Amino acid sequence: AQKVTQAQTEISVVEKEDVTLDCVYETRDTTYYLFWYKQPPSGELVFLIRRNSFDEQNEISGRYSWNFQKSTSSFNFTITASQVVDSAVYFCALSRRVDSSYKLIFGSGTRLLVRP
Amino acid sequence: GAGVSQSPRYKVTKRGQDVALRCDPISGHVSLYWYRQALGQGPEFLTYFNYEAQQDKSGLPNDRFSAERPEGSISTLTIQRTEQRDSAMYRCASSPGKWRDEQFFGPGTRLTVL
Repeated sequence: AQKVTQAQTEISVVEKEDVTLDCVYETRDTTYYLFWYKQPPSGELVFLIRRNSFDEQNEISGRYSWNFQKSTSSFNFTITASQVVDSAVYFCALSRRVDSSYKLIFGSGTRLLVRP
Repeated sequence: GAGVSQSPRYKVTKRGQDVALRCDPISGHVSLYWYRQALGQGPEFLTYFNYEAQQDKSGLPNDRFSAERPEGSISTLTIQRTEQRDSAMYRCASSPGKWRDEQFFGPGTRLTVL
Protein backbone atom coordinates (compact mmCIF):
# COMPACT_ATOMS: atom_id res chain seq x y z
CA ALA A 1 0.00 0.00 0.00
CA GLN A 2 1.10 3.54 -0.67
CA LYS A 3 0.95 5.73 2.39
CA VAL A 4 2.40 8.91 3.86
CA THR A 5 2.52 9.38 7.61
CA GLN A 6 3.05 12.66 9.37
CA ALA A 7 2.94 11.64 12.99
CA GLN A 8 3.22 15.15 14.40
CA THR A 9 -0.22 16.68 14.36
CA GLU A 10 0.79 20.02 15.84
CA ILE A 11 4.08 21.63 16.78
CA SER A 12 4.46 24.89 18.65
CA VAL A 13 7.80 26.70 18.84
CA VAL A 14 9.06 30.12 19.79
CA GLU A 15 10.42 32.31 17.04
CA LYS A 16 14.06 31.63 16.09
CA GLU A 17 13.91 28.02 17.23
CA ASP A 18 14.75 25.29 14.74
CA VAL A 19 12.00 22.79 14.01
CA THR A 20 11.86 19.51 12.11
CA LEU A 21 8.72 18.10 10.54
CA ASP A 22 8.76 14.36 10.06
CA CYS A 23 7.48 12.45 7.05
CA VAL A 24 7.54 8.68 6.63
CA TYR A 25 6.28 7.02 3.48
CA GLU A 26 5.45 3.53 2.28
CA THR A 27 5.69 2.42 -1.32
CA ARG A 28 6.66 -0.62 -3.35
CA ASP A 29 7.52 1.51 -6.35
CA THR A 30 11.19 1.80 -7.25
CA THR A 31 10.66 5.18 -8.89
CA TYR A 32 8.66 7.82 -7.11
CA TYR A 33 8.73 11.46 -6.17
CA LEU A 34 8.28 13.14 -2.82
CA PHE A 35 6.94 16.63 -2.27
CA TRP A 36 6.37 19.13 0.49
CA TYR A 37 3.55 21.68 0.30
CA LYS A 38 2.73 24.55 2.63
CA GLN A 39 -0.82 25.60 3.46
CA PRO A 40 -0.79 29.02 5.16
CA PRO A 41 -3.84 30.32 7.03
CA SER A 42 -5.13 31.81 3.78
CA GLY A 43 -5.74 28.25 2.58
CA GLU A 44 -3.83 27.88 -0.64
CA LEU A 45 -1.39 25.02 -1.22
CA VAL A 46 2.10 26.21 -2.03
CA PHE A 47 4.72 23.90 -3.55
CA LEU A 48 8.00 23.84 -1.62
CA ILE A 49 10.16 21.01 -2.95
CA ARG A 50 10.28 17.88 -5.11
CA ARG A 51 12.72 15.03 -4.66
CA ASN A 52 13.03 11.88 -6.78
CA SER A 53 13.72 8.46 -5.35
CA PHE A 54 17.18 8.25 -6.91
CA ASP A 55 18.48 11.45 -5.43
CA GLU A 56 19.26 11.19 -1.74
CA GLN A 57 21.23 14.39 -1.54
CA ASN A 58 19.98 16.74 1.09
CA GLU A 59 18.77 20.09 -0.11
CA ILE A 60 18.94 23.51 1.45
CA SER A 61 16.99 26.57 0.40
CA GLY A 62 17.51 29.52 2.66
CA ARG A 63 16.17 28.60 6.08
CA TYR A 64 14.60 25.40 4.74
CA SER A 65 16.36 22.07 4.42
CA TRP A 66 15.23 18.57 3.55
CA ASN A 67 16.71 15.24 4.58
CA PHE A 68 15.76 12.29 2.36
CA GLN A 69 16.74 8.85 3.65
CA LYS A 70 15.61 5.91 1.57
CA SER A 71 16.84 3.42 4.17
CA THR A 72 14.27 4.69 6.66
CA SER A 73 11.68 5.83 4.08
CA SER A 74 11.76 9.32 5.50
CA PHE A 75 11.75 12.77 3.98
CA ASN A 76 12.03 15.24 6.84
CA PHE A 77 11.80 19.00 6.62
CA THR A 78 13.71 21.39 8.87
CA ILE A 79 13.11 25.09 9.30
CA THR A 80 16.06 26.92 10.83
CA ALA A 81 15.48 30.07 12.88
CA SER A 82 11.72 29.85 12.51
CA GLN A 83 9.64 32.96 11.94
CA VAL A 84 6.01 33.77 12.64
CA VAL A 85 5.34 33.72 8.89
CA ASP A 86 6.26 30.03 8.88
CA SER A 87 3.06 29.27 10.78
CA ALA A 88 1.07 26.99 8.50
CA VAL A 89 0.06 23.41 7.88
CA TYR A 90 2.76 21.47 6.05
CA PHE A 91 1.95 18.45 3.91
CA CYS A 92 4.28 15.76 2.70
CA ALA A 93 3.16 13.90 -0.43
CA LEU A 94 4.17 10.90 -2.52
CA SER A 95 3.70 10.85 -6.28
CA ARG A 96 3.10 7.57 -7.95
CA ARG A 97 2.48 6.50 -11.47
CA VAL A 98 0.01 3.72 -12.14
CA ASP A 99 -0.51 2.90 -15.80
CA SER A 100 -1.59 6.19 -17.31
CA SER A 101 -2.43 7.86 -14.05
CA TYR A 102 -0.39 10.04 -11.79
CA LYS A 103 -1.61 11.09 -8.39
CA LEU A 104 -0.34 12.64 -5.20
CA ILE A 105 -0.89 10.84 -1.93
CA PHE A 106 -0.80 13.27 0.94
CA GLY A 107 -0.10 12.86 4.61
CA SER A 108 -2.52 14.34 7.10
CA GLY A 109 -0.32 17.37 7.65
CA THR A 110 1.55 18.96 10.54
CA ARG A 111 0.30 22.26 11.89
CA LEU A 112 3.22 24.49 12.85
CA LEU A 113 2.65 27.45 15.14
CA VAL A 114 5.54 29.85 15.57
CA ARG A 115 4.99 32.18 18.50
CA PRO A 116 6.68 35.57 18.74
CA GLY B 1 1.26 34.23 -15.60
CA ALA B 2 -2.11 33.33 -14.16
CA GLY B 3 -2.33 30.41 -11.81
CA VAL B 4 -5.06 27.83 -11.47
CA SER B 5 -8.42 29.42 -10.84
CA GLN B 6 -11.56 27.85 -9.41
CA SER B 7 -15.11 29.04 -9.17
CA PRO B 8 -17.10 29.55 -7.16
CA ARG B 9 -14.82 30.01 -4.17
CA TYR B 10 -17.66 29.25 -1.80
CA LYS B 11 -20.82 27.31 -2.44
CA VAL B 12 -23.63 26.70 0.01
CA THR B 13 -26.36 24.38 -1.16
CA LYS B 14 -29.21 22.38 0.24
CA ARG B 15 -29.15 18.63 0.47
CA GLY B 16 -30.39 17.05 -2.72
CA GLN B 17 -29.32 19.85 -5.06
CA ASP B 18 -26.76 19.40 -7.83
CA VAL B 19 -23.60 21.52 -7.87
CA ALA B 20 -20.99 22.17 -10.55
CA LEU B 21 -17.49 23.27 -9.63
CA ARG B 22 -15.24 24.79 -12.24
CA CYS B 23 -11.48 24.65 -12.67
CA ASP B 24 -9.42 26.72 -15.10
CA PRO B 25 -5.88 25.28 -15.21
CA ILE B 26 -2.66 27.04 -16.07
CA SER B 27 -2.53 27.60 -19.81
CA GLY B 28 -0.77 24.78 -21.60
CA HIS B 29 -0.88 22.34 -18.71
CA VAL B 30 -1.75 18.91 -19.96
CA SER B 31 -2.61 17.25 -16.66
CA LEU B 32 -5.51 18.22 -14.45
CA TYR B 33 -6.41 16.73 -11.09
CA TRP B 34 -9.29 17.05 -8.66
CA TYR B 35 -8.79 16.49 -4.95
CA ARG B 36 -11.06 16.74 -1.93
CA GLN B 37 -9.78 18.01 1.39
CA ALA B 38 -11.72 17.46 4.58
CA LEU B 39 -11.04 19.67 7.57
CA GLY B 40 -7.81 18.72 9.27
CA GLN B 41 -6.78 16.28 6.56
CA GLY B 42 -4.57 16.26 3.52
CA PRO B 43 -6.06 16.44 0.03
CA GLU B 44 -7.43 13.15 -1.26
CA PHE B 45 -7.28 12.26 -4.94
CA LEU B 46 -10.55 12.15 -6.87
CA THR B 47 -9.78 12.04 -10.58
CA TYR B 48 -7.14 12.80 -13.22
CA PHE B 49 -7.28 14.07 -16.82
CA ASN B 50 -4.62 13.90 -19.48
CA TYR B 51 -5.79 16.47 -22.02
CA GLU B 52 -9.49 15.69 -22.36
CA ALA B 53 -9.19 12.03 -21.44
CA GLN B 54 -10.21 11.03 -17.95
CA GLN B 55 -7.44 8.54 -17.25
CA ASP B 56 -8.25 7.77 -13.65
CA LYS B 57 -11.47 8.22 -11.72
CA SER B 58 -10.70 5.72 -9.02
CA GLY B 59 -11.00 8.32 -6.27
CA LEU B 60 -14.54 9.42 -7.04
CA PRO B 61 -16.54 8.25 -4.01
CA ASN B 62 -19.69 7.14 -5.83
CA ASP B 63 -21.67 7.66 -9.00
CA ARG B 64 -23.08 10.99 -7.82
CA PHE B 65 -19.66 12.44 -8.63
CA SER B 66 -18.56 13.03 -12.20
CA ALA B 67 -16.03 15.20 -13.98
CA GLU B 68 -15.32 16.32 -17.51
CA ARG B 69 -12.74 18.27 -19.44
CA PRO B 70 -14.24 18.34 -22.96
CA GLU B 71 -11.68 20.54 -24.69
CA GLY B 72 -8.62 19.64 -22.67
CA SER B 73 -8.65 22.90 -20.73
CA ILE B 74 -11.42 23.90 -18.32
CA SER B 75 -12.81 21.12 -16.17
CA THR B 76 -16.07 20.75 -14.28
CA LEU B 77 -16.66 18.52 -11.27
CA THR B 78 -20.35 17.80 -10.79
CA ILE B 79 -21.96 16.42 -7.66
CA GLN B 80 -25.54 15.29 -8.03
CA ARG B 81 -28.06 15.01 -5.21
CA THR B 82 -25.62 16.47 -2.70
CA GLU B 83 -25.43 15.10 0.81
CA GLN B 84 -24.05 16.66 3.98
CA ARG B 85 -21.03 14.35 3.89
CA ASP B 86 -20.02 16.00 0.59
CA SER B 87 -19.13 19.19 2.48
CA ALA B 88 -15.40 19.80 2.00
CA MET B 89 -12.83 21.87 0.15
CA TYR B 90 -12.57 20.76 -3.47
CA ARG B 91 -9.20 21.51 -5.00
CA CYS B 92 -8.10 21.45 -8.58
CA ALA B 93 -4.46 21.17 -9.65
CA SER B 94 -2.65 21.23 -12.96
CA SER B 95 0.82 20.25 -14.08
CA PRO B 96 2.76 20.41 -17.33
CA GLY B 97 2.21 16.73 -17.84
CA LYS B 98 5.05 14.65 -16.59
CA TRP B 99 4.36 12.72 -13.41
CA ARG B 100 7.43 14.10 -11.76
CA ASP B 101 6.18 17.64 -12.19
CA GLU B 102 4.85 19.53 -9.26
CA GLN B 103 1.15 20.09 -9.25
CA PHE B 104 -0.02 23.68 -8.98
CA PHE B 105 -3.12 24.00 -6.90
CA GLY B 106 -6.02 26.38 -7.23
CA PRO B 107 -7.54 28.21 -4.26
CA GLY B 108 -10.27 25.60 -3.89
CA THR B 109 -14.04 25.68 -3.65
CA ARG B 110 -15.45 25.38 -0.14
CA LEU B 111 -18.67 23.40 -0.47
CA THR B 112 -21.16 23.39 2.36
CA VAL B 113 -24.24 21.18 2.10
CA LEU B 114 -26.97 22.08 4.55
